[in-house]
Amino acid sequence: DIVLTQSPATLSLSPGETATLSCRASRAVRHDFLAWYQQKPGQPPRLLIYPASTKLVGTPDRFIGSGSGTDFTLTINSLEPEDFAVYYCQQYENSIMTFGQGTRLETK
Amino acid sequence: QVQLVQSGSEVKKPGSSVRVSCKASGGSITNFNLAWVRQAPGQGPEWMGSIIPLFNGRNYAPSFQDRLTITANKSSNTVYMDLTSLTSGDTALYFCARRHGDAFDPWGQGTQVTVSS
Repeated sequence: DIVLTQSPATLSLSPGETATLSCRASRAVRHDFLAWYQQKPGQPPRLLIYPASTKLVGTPDRFIGSGSGTDFTLTINSLEPEDFAVYYCQQYENSIMTFGQGTRLETK
Repeated sequence: QVQLVQSGSEVKKPGSSVRVSCKASGGSITNFNLAWVRQAPGQGPEWMGSIIPLFNGRNYAPSFQDRLTITANKSSNTVYMDLTSLTSGDTALYFCARRHGDAFDPWGQGTQVTVSS
């Protein structure tokens, strides 16, 4: 199975700053079909971007997905207070779906 | 707009089984590919398996193959997850979710399953 490694595990920033979250795959993600989710305490994950760089309806413009192959990045420009949460990447290959272990974005 | 509503929390003894339901509204499950995903405390989500109710097709993650059964009741528009031989390692929040391409959206609200003697 493809292993997704997210870094950093925790990112401490202030509102207004830019967050850069990384998701690295153990081998190339099929068709770059990588997804990004946001999860807040007590809530299910919310799909933000899929595939790789396409925002879902309702995802703010400050969220930008990029990358291909094995290296993907979620950039959040000009952080808002509601952006502080845990972010996961996820991929699908050979009928198996796997998630990364997450990056916690916390307020500095 | 599709919404998924899950059954309530469960407390189970080791060795027992649990059933969690997921009722869809705003659309027929025969038009969906639905999955179960669990999340242990402090961990990332873990895909368990999926079902396509229209064809009754299922696939399971290898780590759950022997003790997971996913079923669907088209008349009640509900999908079920049955997990057997529970251990403390199965204590987690269990979610149903609709496949959106190769991702998941939307998700149910989650069902806490606690396994404790």
